[in-house]
Amino acid sequence: DTEVTQTPKHLVMGMTNKKSLKCEQHMGHRAMYWYKQKAKKPPELMFVYSYEKLSINESVPSRFSPECPNSSLLNLHLHALQPEDSALYLCASSQDIRGHTGELFFGEGSRLTVL
Amino acid sequence: AQTVTQSQPEMSVQEAETVTLSCTYDTSESDYYLFWYKQPPSRQMILVIRQEAYKQQNATENRFSVNFQKAAKSFSLKISDSQLGDAAMYFCAYRLGRGSTLGRLYFGRGTQLTVWP
Repeated sequence: DTEVTQTPKHLVMGMTNKKSLKCEQHMGHRAMYWYKQKAKKPPELMFVYSYEKLSINESVPSRFSPECPNSSLLNLHLHALQPEDSALYLCASSQDIRGHTGELFFGEGSRLTVL
Repeated sequence: AQTVTQSQPEMSVQEAETVTLSCTYDTSESDYYLFWYKQPPSRQMILVIRQEAYKQQNATENRFSVNFQKAAKSFSLKISDSQLGDAAMYFCAYRLGRGSTLGRLYFGRGTQLTVWP
């Protein structure tokens, strides 16, 4: 199993809503990542978890709240978002942040639209 | 600081022909990885090919090969016998090597590849 699974694939929410994005991997990877990607742009790193602890926070606004309940799961809780937060949110995983092969495995992404 | 530059925002190629996508990077490190990722309209980022900086031999994966010039900090991707399914956005990416605790992947701005039948 070399998959990273993200749900939902599409999400539309209002600025006052609370929603969550979910990510799951069963490759035994100990590092998990959230990226934000705007159209025709490269992904921008948001958060990195290593061994279930937050390792990197790229100064992301507090309306985005990550959570890593266990080594296979990664959530991104969303609250009071702005229309400019509309984007594709990509989850990725790797063996660990030292990266034996260096490779990140990506999910298909969750397309978020904030109205 | 690590930077990755892709100077070709768009490229096109005829089916069955060969195309080369350019990438340069800037780093003061000696241990690092370089990658080419492909992102088709289906949006999933898919690893195309990987190169470890300590390996002198250029990586090859079927129709995909790289020209890794470490001194010049250049990492180009050659796609041979292009197929319609190769049409996608291609991102060059850099990551610090095994000794690093940082898992950050630095991306170039991408090259949109069109394949004409």
